[in-house]
Amino acid sequence: QVHLVQSGAEVKRPGSSVKVSCRASGESFTAYDINWVRQAPGQGFEWMGGIIPMFGTTNYAQKFQGRINITADEYTNTAYMQLSSLRPGDTAVYYCVRDEGRGLDLWGQGTTVTVSS
Amino acid sequence: EIVLTQSPATLSLSPGERATLSCRASQSVRSYLAWYQQKPGQAPRLLIYDASNRATGIPARFSGSGSGTDFTLTISSLEPEDFAVYYCQQRSDWPTMYSFGQGTKLEI
Repeated sequence: QVHLVQSGAEVKRPGSSVKVSCRASGESFTAYDINWVRQAPGQGFEWMGGIIPMFGTTNYAQKFQGRINITADEYTNTAYMQLSSLRPGDTAVYYCVRDEGRGLDLWGQGTTVTVSS
Repeated sequence: EIVLTQSPATLSLSPGERATLSCRASQSVRSYLAWYQQKPGQAPRLLIYDASNRATGIPARFSGSGSGTDFTLTISSLEPEDFAVYYCQQRSDWPTMYSFGQGTKLEI
């Protein structure tokens, strides 16, 4: 059974960067897209960007252009999302999510990122 | 960017009743519309994809319909575990982008 396992919670200062990992256990993730979605406290979901690991191609939401970098390592089946110039409004739970073309069907457990001085 | 608007914001019903949740898109998304259920402290669970296809393991009481700009999630007879927040989501291509509705809270 496939799982997406994310790295642990982070507390960051404003202006710093965070890098969250997402490891696919159980199968290779080159066959599908990996996306990153965040949910601020008490709010809905916001798509940040995604990667097709097989090709290394990325696509980012305009809101995050210039601040986000999504990468993938096929050998370790791990995707990464790095967000820079953090501000308190970036405090959220960050999820990696699989898209095989039939909805966002597999979600990581979420990584809480808190940005506070 | 395609904006999804869900209604109502809150729906108060009882177990055994029928729930009808709506999602309207600001422009056509064809059938690229999915529905998710989220319970407190949990990641969302995919219920419906491509507007009307149930995801693996989803009970038959959940059904989706619609195309273009208007979509509906129906829960035919509510079970106690169905009380949660429901989100719709669309995907557009070239370039690939996703957006979510703001959610409907289904409460007792």
